[in-house]
Amino acid sequence: DAGVIQSPRHEVTEMGQEVTLRCKPISGHNSLFWYRQTMMRGLELLIYFNNNVPIDDSGMPEDRFSAKMPNASFSTLKIQPSEPRDSAVYFCASSLGSWLGDSNQPQHFGDGTRLSIL
Amino acid sequence: SQELEQSPQSLIVQEGKNLTINCTSSKTLYGLYWYKQKYGEGLIFLMMLQKGGEEKSHEKITAKLDEKKQQSSLHITASQPSHAGIYLCGAPEGNNKFYFGSGTKLNVKP
Repeated sequence: DAGVIQSPRHEVTEMGQEVTLRCKPISGHNSLFWYRQTMMRGLELLIYFNNNVPIDDSGMPEDRFSAKMPNASFSTLKIQPSEPRDSAVYFCASSLGSWLGDSNQPQHFGDGTRLSIL
Repeated sequence: SQELEQSPQSLIVQEGKNLTINCTSSKTLYGLYWYKQKYGEGLIFLMMLQKGGEEKSHEKITAKLDEKKQQSSLHITASQPSHAGIYLCGAPEGNNKFYFGSGTKLNVKP
């Protein structure tokens, strides 16, 4: 079975450029999550969608970050303009759960996008 | 907000030895998830605990949640090089938040 698919796996770009990260969740999953992982701050939840609707985006660091989920099989995380401090590994995860408190449904993670902003 | 503290931060053990990783919460846990991460890869779900005193095992890995539901432990019996990686505990807070601990890096020497 196909897991969560993220693209690209690696992205190197210059400061000020727009960056778009992509995610295809597991078919049939109705919740999708975007995380950021850094050495300093660990793994942080940025935004969470349920049935394609953003439920909580309080983890999005700044207005430069935006996320969309136009349909059940695709989501994007966009950074515009990008800055060096945005360098991190960005993970997408999906689950069958309706909300994060649904403790019977674990999140399944993609392999991440390693983003470097020069 | 929820804080999950993991200990130790890193661990090096000889193959065949047992080890324990701890995860302590600042609040009562209403679900505690254990994940494993290998370098350059995503997180792999290991186990989920929900009830106080609950214990689950998969192959040589056993996870427990204490009766007060504020601390969990992950125990590996007879460790193997394939157990190496970063182990993270995670927990939801309410319906909209999810927090992870900072992780425990495990190296197993052959």
